[in-house]
Amino acid sequence: DAGVIQSPRHEVTEMGQEVTLRCKPISGHDYLFWYRQTMMRGLELLIYFNNNVPIDDSGMPEDRFSAKMPNASFSTLKIQPSEPRDSAVYFCASSLRETNEKLFFGSGTQLSVL
Amino acid sequence: AQSVTQPDIHITVSEGASLELRCNYSYGATPYLFWYVQSPGQGLQLLLKYFSGDTLVQGIKGFEAEFKRSQSSFNLRKPSVHWSDAAEYFCAVKSNFGNEKLTFGTGTRLTIIP
Repeated sequence: DAGVIQSPRHEVTEMGQEVTLRCKPISGHDYLFWYRQTMMRGLELLIYFNNNVPIDDSGMPEDRFSAKMPNASFSTLKIQPSEPRDSAVYFCASSLRETNEKLFFGSGTQLSVL
Repeated sequence: AQSVTQPDIHITVSEGASLELRCNYSYGATPYLFWYVQSPGQGLQLLLKYFSGDTLVQGIKGFEAEFKRSQSSFNLRKPSVHWSDAAEYFCAVKSNFGNEKLTFGTGTRLTIIP
């Protein structure tokens, strides 16, 4: 398996633009997580899905952020409009219910909002 | 709410020397505890985990960690570090009541010197 695949690896955009981050979890995994990593706040859980259904989105910072999982093999995290303070590395991770404590992380998307 | 504290932001160790990274957690019951490692430009990888039973757990790459309930600690150790161990290390805690939310510490960056 290729692991969790995230795209793009790097995204540079201007303030006010819409940004869409993409994630393909490991095939067969039924949990998907979106994390944000910054120097100031470390790793923060934004939202997670179980069987494509959002379970806990309490970490989503504000209404500018939205996440979807239309099917078991694809998820998006959208920021609209983007702001400089959204600059961070965004990680997607997936896991199996049976071993749901073991998260498999993607390589992340480095987002820079100018 | 569950939380994790990693008091050391940055540690430097000589190659071949022993290592101990500190982690303290806050949680009302016995938590699930984890150590993850992040190499530069990569996502996180699970090193080891503690759920119950033997308080000394072995992980990959020669790492081990000891759960001490009286001290609310879960420190990571390695008897002899290798240059390839240079990375960022994250302690994490999860509720044992079915909530899949994994809360990470702020991380400890490990530098290895020759």
